Amino acid sequence: ETGVTQTPRHLVMGMTNKKSLKCEQHLGHNAMYWYKQSAKKPLELMFVYSLEERVENNSVPSRFSPECPNSSHLFLHLHTLQPEDSALYLCASSQNPSRVGETQYFGPGTRLLVL
Amino acid sequence: AQKVTQAQTEISVVEKEDVTLDCVYETRDTTYYLFWYKQPPSGELVFLIRRNSFDEQNEISGRYSWNFQKSTSSFNFTITASQVVDSAVYFCALSSLILTGGGNKLTFGTGTQLKVEL
Repeated sequence: ETGVTQTPRHLVMGMTNKKSLKCEQHLGHNAMYWYKQSAKKPLELMFVYSLEERVENNSVPSRFSPECPNSSHLFLHLHTLQPEDSALYLCASSQNPSRVGETQYFGPGTRLLVL
Repeated sequence: AQKVTQAQTEISVVEKEDVTLDCVYETRDTTYYLFWYKQPPSGELVFLIRRNSFDEQNEISGRYSWNFQKSTSSFNFTITASQVVDSAVYFCALSSLILTGGGNKLTFGTGTQLKVEL
């Protein structure tokens, strides 16, 4: 039990749909992350929120829109996705965003298929 | 730039064999942290160990052990007497601090798929 939950676990959507992924952490952490894991590629950091402020956006297309309403919740809003966006989307959290080497704890991921 | 290389894409062993997963990293930071994570078929990344660049002492936890060698920029992971439940993808990662605003960026290797068979 890592204390990070993600919903839904599986999602199939068409290219014209709008959907949202949700992540919740029960660890009292102050930083949250979205990662994308595609087949045969390393995990890619997409977004970082530190104390509810976005601090990193790794050139992610605008069809992905993150939202962090408080330190426990993180959303990833999806619209007009492409088939190449099909992947496992992982959420993570860490305790102290200003300390190097903080352990990140991951959720189970949302497996997304874009048709 | 940070880089992590896991040259072994897939390893198959028979149960009870020992197996070592290799990890080589590149960084210009003098202070850095290395991690190993396990990803079973369910998808969740499970944290196994964290090691900082100033601590080269090897660590053992049950059947798991880690060998950190700064001179060769390697952080290898050994499973002793492997079991079927060890079958998973194992990721090595390198952490760096995001200076503008906080948070840590993990740079992952491509992972090693370990299959332990009866």
